[in-house]
Amino acid sequence: SQQGEEDPQALSIQEGENATMNCSYKTSINNLQWYRQNSGRGLVHLILIRSNEREKHSGRLRVTLDTSKKSSSLLITASRAADTASYFCATDVPNDYKLSFGAGTTVTVRA
Amino acid sequence: KAGVTQTPRYLIKTRGQQVTLSCSPISGHRSVSWYQQTPGQGLQFLFEYFSETQRNKGNFPGRFSGRQFSNSRSEMNVSTLELGDSALYLCASSLEVLGAYEQYFGPGTRLTVT
Repeated sequence: SQQGEEDPQALSIQEGENATMNCSYKTSINNLQWYRQNSGRGLVHLILIRSNEREKHSGRLRVTLDTSKKSSSLLITASRAADTASYFCATDVPNDYKLSFGAGTTVTVRA
Repeated sequence: KAGVTQTPRYLIKTRGQQVTLSCSPISGHRSVSWYQQTPGQGLQFLFEYFSETQRNKGNFPGRFSGRQFSNSRSEMNVSTLELGDSALYLCASSLEVLGAYEQYFGPGTRLTVT
């Protein structure tokens, strides 16, 4: 069974707009990571946030983590056509050595 | 640094056959994990190896097996293939940094079972 669930399942936005997606998980975690996948290819690592961090930035990406609500959000600012992809959150717990993925959010950026 | 490489990229097999997939991690990474991705089940963890030892295994039947070699390269094997084994198989390598494992994925092997 999957640990995380992303919301929404799909998102369509205009180029230049911001895209926000959320991830909720069930158990206490060690870290949470966000990945991007383009059309059935491999996953690209975007950002890792530790359980003791609340916010992290990387370029146009902003990730927040609220461990009290067991949720995270990924914000992509000033979206581009190249951001069209599926986005997954993945969590890990100490000494488990595996990632548990959510079902993903499919983002379409319209030109 | 070269990324994670997986071979072959595409594979077509018949039910009942067996298949071996290969993964070469990023240089210096000693942990290798395997995942199966299907439209119905999403991304599911298969197993993880570190220094030739399996540290965790997902909920898959015994037909799925893996191993890791001394150079950290890894293989996974699926015996007696079933139609439901058709999937994208992803390998990831990781390096522990202060208790966190950032996993870097290869392009995957697309397996089709007919």
